Amino acid sequence: SQKIEQNSEALNIQEGKTATLTCNYTNYSPAYLQWYRQDPGRGPVFLLLIRENEKEKRKERLKVTFDTTLKQSLFHITASQPADSATYLCVRSGSARQLTFGSGTQLTVLP
Amino acid sequence: DTEVTQTPKHLVMGMTNKKSLKCEQHMGHRAMYWYKQKAKKPPELMFVYSYEKLSINESVPSRFSPECPNSSLLNLHLHALQPEDSALYLCASSHPAREGGNEQFFGPGTRLTVL
Repeated sequence: SQKIEQNSEALNIQEGKTATLTCNYTNYSPAYLQWYRQDPGRGPVFLLLIRENEKEKRKERLKVTFDTTLKQSLFHITASQPADSATYLCVRSGSARQLTFGSGTQLTVLP
Repeated sequence: DTEVTQTPKHLVMGMTNKKSLKCEQHMGHRAMYWYKQKAKKPPELMFVYSYEKLSINESVPSRFSPECPNSSLLNLHLHALQPEDSALYLCASSHPAREGGNEQFFGPGTRLTVL
């Protein structure tokens, strides 16, 4: 089966620093990797999508990379703020219009 | 309108009750999804509707019965649930034309408690 693993359950960083979250996948590369943010008791919110043939994608303070050799995606938040505190979900998607979610990393940005 | 709405926000029901969860979107998305999420776990896919037809059923017990009356609405009918079915139920929609590369828009969820 295709697995998605997010290495850290929880990550604490100081405000202003860059947060780096890791997502590893098994077996074949997914066509797409997506990152979502989820706040407690709320639905996930889409942040970024990166295709298998893309190395890097950016959106404002967010950056995601896709390394098919390492079978890994890194998600960076630069100049982190306490408002960035949330659970971040890595998701692989391909055909059949379904997503496979990683278990998530709970990020806490300390003021 | 880029919003998925879900009603009710909270639902408490007994094991013999019949209730329904409702989901609505007006983004023209033709794929709609039901997920179940337990505390501190990722969402688990339950059902996928594509163009109002059930395309994926992830071996969900028959006490959960989905329905897609039209392209904007998705229901989840609940009957004879168990306490372990208590969870956050999330609805999502997406543009099916972008196979796989389709970000999903999630609703706020319905917090279900089964007594």
